Amino acid sequence: RKEVEQDPGPFNVPEGATVAFNCTYSNSASQSFFWYRQDCRKEPKLLMSVYSSGNEDGRFTAQLNRASQYISLLIRDSKLSDSATYLCVVNKGGTALIFGKGTTLSVSS
Amino acid sequence: NAGVTQTPKFQVLKTGQSMTLQCAQDMNHEYMSWYRQDPGMGLRLIHYSVGAGITDQGEVPNGYNVSRSTTEDFPLRLLSAAPSQTSVYFCASSRTVRETQYFGPGTRLLVL
Repeated sequence: RKEVEQDPGPFNVPEGATVAFNCTYSNSASQSFFWYRQDCRKEPKLLMSVYSSGNEDGRFTAQLNRASQYISLLIRDSKLSDSATYLCVVNKGGTALIFGKGTTLSVSS
Repeated sequence: NAGVTQTPKFQVLKTGQSMTLQCAQDMNHEYMSWYRQDPGMGLRLIHYSVGAGITDQGEVPNGYNVSRSTTEDFPLRLLSAAPSQTSVYFCASSRTVRETQYFGPGTRLLVL
């Protein structure tokens, strides 16, 4: 099993749609979880951290299920500007981060 | 406050040549790391450092060396470039590995 797995997509949705991305991780000792966003040919940037109780930032909601080793990202009311690749990132309890391969989202008008 | 800077932005090398990719940050971050990003492979960790004088290997360290003589700088050296090292290289820094990683703009390397 890969350390961090994501559905690569692409997810093609119309503006205003709700879309959800999933991510699973293999190391039960993982301690920190994040979603990063990467635009084409640009560097990754933090979208949001993921907390055990779940957290929300505007149209974005992140959930963590430690028992199932599962992380999710929900985007409501999708905008054209949300088109990007979303990276699931896990700190496996040591001094390194593991990145998923990313899920590509394309929002169309 | 420039954040994380990387030079050069783009480089073409011939097989067997050596070069150093520069990375610097002005946020006084202890943790710095180098990743390579290839199509279909995602970001893979090459080397990382938890502070000046301390470095360690990541997932794909072969063919690369690093050093951390100061908090600000974390250069990545390619000893003898190979076509398999054609990639986009990102440097990142953070206060600790568990906190937000700030990435540089990347270096696109082509090895012929």
